[in-house]
Amino acid sequence: GNSVTQMEGPVTLSEEAFLTINCTYTATGYPSLFWYVQYPGEGLQLLLKATKADDKGSNKGFEATYRKETTSFHLEKGSVQVSDSAVYFCALTNYGQNFVFGPGTRLSVLP
Amino acid sequence: EPEVTQTPSHQVTQMGQEVILRCVPISNHLYFYWYRQILGQKVEFLVSFYNNEISEKSEIFDDQFSVERPDGSNFTLKIRSTKLEDSAMYFCASSSESSNQPQHFGDGTRLSIL
Repeated sequence: GNSVTQMEGPVTLSEEAFLTINCTYTATGYPSLFWYVQYPGEGLQLLLKATKADDKGSNKGFEATYRKETTSFHLEKGSVQVSDSAVYFCALTNYGQNFVFGPGTRLSVLP
Repeated sequence: EPEVTQTPSHQVTQMGQEVILRCVPISNHLYFYWYRQILGQKVEFLVSFYNNEISEKSEIFDDQFSVERPDGSNFTLKIRSTKLEDSAMYFCASSSESSNQPQHFGDGTRLSIL
């Protein structure tokens, strides 16, 4: 079946540091890949997506590239801010099947 | 931007009671979902709903659970005879299509079973 694996957290960075959160997946065919973010006390918000190999999703300074050869969709940001502190979920869906989420990675950015 | 709205934001219920969690999906969306997130754990799929019927459900979604779209706007999750382990955040989501489109999530209902 489909599955998503993320790097274990929590991740603690200083403001303006470079962020990478690794995500790898297992799925048949060509899933669509997503990053969702959950700020404290809030619901899940779509951060970015990519629907085919080599697509790059980007939003709010975050980027992730769909790498089919490595089955990965790592999230990156060049300079994090305190306001980026949240839990980040990698997810996939495959031809109308339900979303499968990774376990989430908690990011704390210190001023 | 259109939003998925969920009510209430927090529901406290005695064990054994029934609860109904309510969701108003985005108006032109056709696919509806419920997910659960036990505190500190991953987001788990419960059920998807399309054309007034369940299209897929997980093993979590047993006879204790039911969903309904009672009118043109609401999408509800009913939990009968609640158990302590039902305490979680419950998220509703909707999408315009089923094929690889992002799902838009509500802010969730925190369900606390006492």
